[in-house]
Amino acid sequence: DIVMTQGALPNPVPSGESASITCQSSKSLLHSNGKTYLNWYLQRPGQSPQLLIYWMSTRASGVSDRFSGSGSGTDFTLKISSVEAEDVGVYYCQQFLEYPTFGAGTKLELK
Amino acid sequence: EVQLVESGGGLVQPGRSLKLSCLASGFTFSNYGMNWIRQAPGKGLEWVASISSSSSYIYYADTVKGRFTISRDNAKNTLYLQMTSLRSEDTALYYCARHELRYFDYWGQGVMVTVSS
Repeated sequence: DIVMTQGALPNPVPSGESASITCQSSKSLLHSNGKTYLNWYLQRPGQSPQLLIYWMSTRASGVSDRFSGSGSGTDFTLKISSVEAEDVGVYYCQQFLEYPTFGAGTKLELK
Repeated sequence: EVQLVESGGGLVQPGRSLKLSCLASGFTFSNYGMNWIRQAPGKGLEWVASISSSSSYIYYADTVKGRFTISRDNAKNTLYLQMTSLRSEDTALYYCARHELRYFDYWGQGVMVTVSS
């Protein structure tokens, strides 16, 4: 299985500041078709996860442009510019190159 | 509006069986692959099983292979998860999720399964 390892945030994050969450995969997620199958989700307290970013850098429909995804084959970053109250929750990275696996999650708390 | 509504959860003794359902609406169910993903209390997300749009391809996580069966009825817009030989470590909130081109774009609200004597 591909192991996904997420970094921690220096919580709490001051409102209006930017935050970056890192994610590393044990195997390159770059497919031969040129797509990198790395996705990001946000699970707000008491809610189901919601898709934020797919294929490493494509924002899902309706997602704020304050969220952006970047990376290489094995190292990825989700950046949140100007953190707001609605961004609080746990962020998960997930690979879909092979059978899906998730990172352990990174909690974002607001100051 | 896409909606996925899970049902069938509850308290069950170890070794017993339970069947979950997920009723889909707001999209053409027969066009999409579907999944079950679970979350143990206070823990992260674990993919459980996946089924393609026509049921031609079915995959399971090693932790449930041989005990769980995913299926679907496209005429009823419903996804199922038959769980047998349940263990305490199967205790979790089970989500139904649609997948589109290798990402999970819609999730249900989840249904709780508790395995305990």
